[in-house]
Amino acid sequence: AQSVTQLDSQVPVFEEAPVELRCNYSSSVSVYLFWYVQYPNQGLQLLLKYLSGSTLVKGINGFEAEFNKSQTSFHLRKPSVHISDTAEYFCAVSDRERDDKIIFGKGTRLHILP
Amino acid sequence: ETGVTQTPRHLVMGMTNKKSLKCEQHLGHNAMYWYKQSAKKPLELMFVYNFKEQTENNSVPSRFSPECPNSSHLFLHLHTLQPEDSALYLCASRPLQGSDYGYTFGSGTRLTVV
Repeated sequence: AQSVTQLDSQVPVFEEAPVELRCNYSSSVSVYLFWYVQYPNQGLQLLLKYLSGSTLVKGINGFEAEFNKSQTSFHLRKPSVHISDTAEYFCAVSDRERDDKIIFGKGTRLHILP
Repeated sequence: ETGVTQTPRHLVMGMTNKKSLKCEQHLGHNAMYWYKQSAKKPLELMFVYNFKEQTENNSVPSRFSPECPNSSHLFLHLHTLQPEDSALYLCASRPLQGSDYGYTFGSGTRLTVV
């Protein structure tokens, strides 16, 4: 069975500073990896996904993530955050072979400080 | 709008009421999902439907009853709920063919059980 660990429940960062949101996964099989963002009072929106190929994945809103198979990590980064990035961010994994459902981490709330 | 529409956006119901949540997508997706999002808990997968057939019931109490009349519509029928069932209920869909493995989420129904 797969699982996802997001080590930080909240991350405060100053506006225009860089940020990294950490994600580690556990799986005995090959996986697909995702990051989703949830703005207040909204559903989840896909930021980026890793399916295969290059381990550095670029997504929307200037975010990127790097797949590290040896460390079973998929950390999300942005070089300069804006107040509009205030949201909850979810890392998720699905089984590459079965691919019938997606398992989410508990989420990391990103606080942008002025 | 993401292409997945959930109604109502907010619902307050008593423990003896019967109500239904509706999810609709016209993206041509053929898998649909119900997730429950409670405060301080990870997103919980409730039900999975592939081509209108239920393929997973994640140990959900029988007071939640899903229905998928066609690939575009998904319902969650509610009866005799408990206060701990108060949560954000999210619907998602995805295509089962092709290389796009993205899940598209609706904005959710915020349910309060009183």
